Amino acid sequence: AAGVIQSPRHLIKEKRETATLKCYPIPRHDTVYWYQQGPGQDPQFLISFYEKMQSDKGSIPDRFSAQQFSDYHSELNMSSLELGDSALYFCASSALAGSYEQYFGPGTRLTVT
Amino acid sequence: QKEVEQDPGPLSVPEGAIVSLNCTYSNSAFQYFMWYRQYSRKGPELLMYTYSSGNKEDGRFTAQVDKSSKYISLFIRDSQPSDSATYLCAMSFNNAGNMLTFGGGTRLMVKP
Repeated sequence: AAGVIQSPRHLIKEKRETATLKCYPIPRHDTVYWYQQGPGQDPQFLISFYEKMQSDKGSIPDRFSAQQFSDYHSELNMSSLELGDSALYFCASSALAGSYEQYFGPGTRLTVT
Repeated sequence: QKEVEQDPGPLSVPEGAIVSLNCTYSNSAFQYFMWYRQYSRKGPELLMYTYSSGNKEDGRFTAQVDKSSKYISLFIRDSQPSDSATYLCAMSFNNAGNMLTFGGGTRLMVKP
């Protein structure tokens, strides 16, 4: 079965640079969620989109922005990167807005040096 | 204090043992309860989900929710070395955004 696809899988950036992470949800899933998982921590919700509209917002820094496109893929844009942004970034998708069945991608490991 | 608390472990058991993993939570508004399994450097994998208090069984896994005590459990019967992973409980409210709030995860090691 098709799963959530994230790219790139690994990314190394320097402080103050920008990064763009991409997420391709499971086919026919219309809701996308972004989570950040720091070393040894649980995933923290950042933001979600349903039908290309932002549906919920968590602890996402103002330096980050995200959007969902007409084909339902989503991009997380991160600017002025800081060392503390180094983490695993997961995208999850669900078939219905408000569905508690969220399926996670393999994650993008971002390292900021 | 975190909204969802989970013993980080590690929990080490012999193969074939029954494993009990638990989470407590403080916000009674949580309506949906999930268990995810996460292998090292991989994304969380949805194992079980429940809505109401009670038990739900799926193969070797049983999820239990006690809303009155704000306590949820995951039992794994006949544990296998391949069950070695971090287990995360997660919860959500009953709204459209439906963000998940995770516990910190319990690392489980099943020894052959």
